[in-house]
Amino acid sequence: DIQMTQSPSTLSASVGDRVTITCRASQSISTSLAWYQQKPGKAPKLLIYQASSLESGVPSRFSGSGSGTEFTLTISSLQPDDFATYYCQQCIGYKAFGQGTKVEIK
Amino acid sequence: EVQLVESGGGLVQPGGSLRLSCAASGFTFSTYWMTWVRQAPGKGLEWVANIKQDGSEKYYVDSVKGRFTISRDNAKNSLYLQMNSLRAEDTAVYYCARDHSGGWYPSWGQGTLVTVSS
Repeated sequence: DIQMTQSPSTLSASVGDRVTITCRASQSISTSLAWYQQKPGKAPKLLIYQASSLESGVPSRFSGSGSGTEFTLTISSLQPDDFATYYCQQCIGYKAFGQGTKVEIK
Repeated sequence: EVQLVESGGGLVQPGGSLRLSCAASGFTFSTYWMTWVRQAPGKGLEWVANIKQDGSEKYYVDSVKGRFTISRDNAKNSLYLQMNSLRAEDTAVYYCARDHSGGWYPSWGQGTLVTVSS
């Protein structure tokens, strides 16, 4: 099974910062990757699919890039509503999730 | 509007059984793969099982194979997860999710908590 590894596990940032989260797959998954945002007590929310496509309704400050085994989620200017935990997920075969990256207030 | 509403969670003793349900509305249920994902307290997301539109294909994470059974009733727009021989490590919030053909999950339920404890 393909394993997904996110880094960092925790990220401290301020409103307005540019934030980048990395996700690595144990083998190539082309662009079959999604990103989710989850807030405490809530279900995950899809942000990005196919590595770089923005889900409808998601603010344009979120972007995704990468292919093969290395992917990034970037928030161009962190907003108060963005403090949450972010997960990557590979979208082929066994759909493993990364372990999550918590974005907290610095 | 897509709606997924889970039910059936609760407290169960180790070795016990529980059946989760997910009621779907706002889309043509019979045309989508469906999935269960779980999240242990304070932990990350774990894919558990999924089922093809007609129920002819089912897949499970290794840790639940032989203990959990996913099923669906397209006439009732409902997804199920029968959980037997429950263990403490099965304690989690269980979410149902609608699959996109590309393998990601645009729609999720609110989750139902399963607690396995004596």
